[in-house]
Amino acid sequence: DTAVSQTPKYLVTQMGNDKSIKCEQNLGHDTMYWYKQDSKKFLKIMFSYNNKELIINETVPNRFSPKSPDKAHLNLHINSLELGDSAVYFCASSQSIFRDLNSPLHFGNGTRLTVT
Amino acid sequence: GDSVTQMEGPVTLSEEAFLTINCTYTATGYPSLFWYVQYPGEGLQLLLKATKADDKGSNKGFEATYRKETTSFHLEKGSVQVSDSAVYFCALSDHDTNAGKSTFGDGTTLTVKP
Repeated sequence: DTAVSQTPKYLVTQMGNDKSIKCEQNLGHDTMYWYKQDSKKFLKIMFSYNNKELIINETVPNRFSPKSPDKAHLNLHINSLELGDSAVYFCASSQSIFRDLNSPLHFGNGTRLTVT
Repeated sequence: GDSVTQMEGPVTLSEEAFLTINCTYTATGYPSLFWYVQYPGEGLQLLLKATKADDKGSNKGFEATYRKETTSFHLEKGSVQVSDSAVYFCALSDHDTNAGKSTFGDGTTLTVKP
């Protein structure tokens, strides 16, 4: 009955590889996000989607490409991985940002990506 | 743009001590304010929130009051437990700008010793 689930939990890969992280939410939320947390715990938004439509696209390298097949899923594909991509990536969801800005974020448990 | 400034950590306290983690914000609009907690190996989870001036959010013994005049939302707990050891994030969501982008502080790591 996990609300926001992301897979895999751990991802270890070599520089130059391409990898994907999947995220699913069963809360009925319209808005989903990807956040990156670095080793100092700083949290930075990468993307947000509302009902499959891209809303926020921060200054993220275009090696990162989100895909939302439906409003319950938001996947993240990363091409040509670099050492600096090593971090914990969190998926999150909330009620529609166009209806309720008081709605808090619900986070998954994160994917720890290590690029060697 | 919007910003959130939190008290720098790490903070180390003994069990049953009083906790304050300071948080101040800058927003162009009229924000809602949140505290999230992150336990080791987990994602962030909502601890409490306040949506308008003078509102007090409370949960699990933690409290924070939305102070518009000082643009602050300090987190307090009267008696901390070892199980409160975690990273605490202050955040805002601005109603007038940013299309729902939440702005987070840098996080404050709390360690409570028995």
